[in-house]
Amino acid sequence: DTAVSQTPKYLVTQMGNDKSIKCEQNLGHDTMYWYKQDSKKFLKIMFSYNNKELIINETVPNRFSPKSPDKAHLNLHINSLELGDSAVYFCASSQGTGGETQYFGPGTRLLVL
Amino acid sequence: GQNIDQPTEMTATEGAIVQINCTYQTSGFNGLFWYQQHAGEAPTFLSYNVLDGLEEKGRFSSFLSRSKGYSYLLLKELQMKDSASYLCAVIRARGGATNKLIFGTGTLLAVQP
Repeated sequence: DTAVSQTPKYLVTQMGNDKSIKCEQNLGHDTMYWYKQDSKKFLKIMFSYNNKELIINETVPNRFSPKSPDKAHLNLHINSLELGDSAVYFCASSQGTGGETQYFGPGTRLLVL
Repeated sequence: GQNIDQPTEMTATEGAIVQINCTYQTSGFNGLFWYQQHAGEAPTFLSYNVLDGLEEKGRFSSFLSRSKGYSYLLLKELQMKDSASYLCAVIRARGGATNKLIFGTGTLLAVQP
């Protein structure tokens, strides 16, 4: 069983389009995250939700809107995609918000043309 | 603010020992993680240190000195499959119970025969 899963794995799209990435975890964790890993492999947190409540929002353009329908799911919607949005987006989850180990999904490779 | 430094690349020989260093400066330090990331894959948890000292787990050990803002990951009996990026990540305590994981840029380790 996959602990943290993301769809799609690959996403190629044109500039200006709107796209969504979905994440699901079956670990029973309360907290989920979105990270962006750029071409230099730098992994940076974007958002975090705890029990469907947004707790971390790291100065991300408002074209990015996370949504958590329940604590096992965290989706990321991106409006008006730009070339600079090309990156790998990782979802992760942890039991709590106090620094517990985070478990990462397989990543979504987004390429904006 | 926060700053995490690791060497960008390292090369080692199969069967040898390699030490990957990480120095950090951050407010609200609440622990340090090491993650392994193979090319095209998700980061996977290796170790966690919050107290000073050495944590050993099989071929991998991790050391922390909070007073020096310093950690290292020690890999023994290197195998070809250990070729990967090794990410140092610091937990920074924020207001309330929410902590944030801040990653370094990672060290790309190449294990040669």
